[in-house]
Amino acid sequence: DVKVTQSSRYLVKRTGEKVFLECVQDMDHENMFWYRQDPGLGLRLIYFSYDVKMKEKGDIPEGYSVSREKKERFSLILESASTNQTSMYLCASSLGGAGWQPQHFGDGTRLSIL
Amino acid sequence: GQQVMQIPQYQHVQEGEDFTTYCNSSTTLSNIQWYKQRPGGHPVFLIQLVKSGEVKKQKRLTFQFGEAKKNSSLHITATQTTDVGTYFCAASRNTGFQKLVFGTGTRLLVSP
Repeated sequence: DVKVTQSSRYLVKRTGEKVFLECVQDMDHENMFWYRQDPGLGLRLIYFSYDVKMKEKGDIPEGYSVSREKKERFSLILESASTNQTSMYLCASSLGGAGWQPQHFGDGTRLSIL
Repeated sequence: GQQVMQIPQYQHVQEGEDFTTYCNSSTTLSNIQWYKQRPGGHPVFLIQLVKSGEVKKQKRLTFQFGEAKKNSSLHITATQTTDVGTYFCAASRNTGFQKLVFGTGTRLLVSP
């Protein structure tokens, strides 16, 4: 079974702090994704990566950056946290190659910015 | 950008009643995936539809992809309390990358 592990289940940070959310997958998947989930808005894509050191902006990249130095690890960085970044953050991974592949999600990190 | 509308936002049914959620897009979709998220859990992949008019079944769940590939539905027959959760559709974009755009989800509550 695919295992996607997010480093923290709950996190509380202060406005202006630099925040790191870590995600690791154990199935050698090429693609990794970061979403945020807010009530009534579904899942919105922040950034994704289809290979090591490659990254692409999603729908809401402002205020975020990402890092993928190793295939199994994808980090989301909040450069200067703000209260409107309080949300549930979900990491996902999927196989690359031809055809559309299902995404496998981690348990999420509930981030509160005070 | 491409948007996927999902209705209803919320439905509360009695156990044994049927349930349907609908997913609609203004543009033609390459494929559609369905996910279920239990309360407190993460989205879990259920199924993928690719062909126009495709119908797939998983026990009490029936998934359909519209003939024009602009809409999809998930129907649950005789709901059970274990069906509680939020159901999301997710459509693929024709970008060459494996990006999905998720619908807003339908939250299902089932009373015993």
